[in-house]
Amino acid sequence: SYEVTQPPSVSVSPGQTANITCSGDKLGDKYPCWYHQKPGQSPVLVIYQDNKRPSGIPERFSGSNSGNTATLIISGTQAMDEADYYCQAWDSTTVVFGGGTKLTVL
Amino acid sequence: EVQLLESGGGLVQPGGSLRLSCAASGFTFASYTMRWVRQPPGKGLEWVSSISGRGDTTAYADSVRGRFTISRDNSKNALYLHMNSLRAEDTAVYYCAKLLMGGYYMDVWGKGTTVTVSS
Repeated sequence: SYEVTQPPSVSVSPGQTANITCSGDKLGDKYPCWYHQKPGQSPVLVIYQDNKRPSGIPERFSGSNSGNTATLIISGTQAMDEADYYCQAWDSTTVVFGGGTKLTVL
Repeated sequence: EVQLLESGGGLVQPGGSLRLSCAASGFTFASYTMRWVRQPPGKGLEWVSSISGRGDTTAYADSVRGRFTISRDNSKNALYLHMNSLRAEDTAVYYCAKLLMGGYYMDVWGKGTTVTVSS
């Protein structure tokens, strides 16, 4: 079965750029996207279709997608961005989530 | 406003059954593929099942296939998840989610309903 891999944790200083990666075989062909989830809340879509943002998502969120790796980029990271981030891919009829990355802003 | 509201969670014994519901509002429900996603306590997200807008195409994770059944009633703007032969590892918060039109991405999520399987 298809799998995608994320680092368990990423740390970033306020105002700096955070990069969270997601890796999987031919991931670029699997419609990867990103969600964030804060404690006690539901997931929120932040990036889809390589680098599109849903309405209401700040411009500091962007994405890139190349071959086997998708990257979520948060520019000028703020304390409010501290959350768990999940990549998700679609393989045939199956939906696959990465294990999640805890972003710490310190 | 687009909203999804799950219900039906609770405490059930191993081997038992439960039916979750998701009430949709604020959009043309029948036009959208819907999914169930779950999250065990302290763990990550796991896709459970998907159903097309007309309800004629469904898909399941290996972990629930043969035990869970997804269905929808477009006349009631409702999504369901029938869960049988429940196991301790099915304990989780269950979310329903709507897909972005024409895409593979979940742009609206409910607040979730908690299922606990324990004796």
